[in-house]
Amino acid sequence: AQSVTQPDIHITVSEGASLELRCNYSYGATPYLFWYVQSPGQGLQLLLKYFSGDTLVQGIKGFEAEFKRSQSSFNLRKPSVHWSDAAEYFCAVSLRGATNKLIFGTGTLLAVQP
Amino acid sequence: ETGVTQSPTHLIKTRGQQVTLRCSSQSGHNTVSWYQQALGQGPQFIFQYYREEENGRGNFPPRFSGLQFPNYSSELNVNALELDDSALYLCASSLELAGVEGQFFGPGTRLTVL
Repeated sequence: AQSVTQPDIHITVSEGASLELRCNYSYGATPYLFWYVQSPGQGLQLLLKYFSGDTLVQGIKGFEAEFKRSQSSFNLRKPSVHWSDAAEYFCAVSLRGATNKLIFGTGTLLAVQP
Repeated sequence: ETGVTQSPTHLIKTRGQQVTLRCSSQSGHNTVSWYQQALGQGPQFIFQYYREEENGRGNFPPRFSGLQFPNYSSELNVNALELDDSALYLCASSLELAGVEGQFFGPGTRLTVL
């Protein structure tokens, strides 16, 4: 079945530590890929996106993500986490077609310890 | 540049009532999508409007309906409210349907159905 999977529901890291959030998708063709962040009580903010070309993409707030076709993955990384990064992170895909609707994973809640 | 705005911020209704949520798209965007985000879940696509026509619909019953106006603002209407309709309703706008720029989200309307 077509799906977006974020296997980690909740992750806790120490401030200054590195971070990797996992995302896998299951679609026949490579979709457009996105990462969004949602702070409590807020809407979703686009961190970065991948369509084609260089498989390592840079986003805002020091985040990057790497597309790996062989693994159907699009993992989000940050070398040094700040306390303000505590939020929920959603991976999403958009199928290349008549509509650009987004299909979201269930999210990963990130907690940052001092 | 004005971002996506939504009104109201919060809303409390009782089962069986009807509700209208409103969204103003980001300046220059002609496509509006609506999503429902239940507690602890990722957003689920309701439908999309492109140049005042519905362009794609998710797995939601007909009591969820919408409109897009000539200025590209949009309304989401829900009739015969059910308890399970309690959720955060997110509006997102984008430029055209290609999807390459991603969608930009408003802060959402929190609907509680009692």
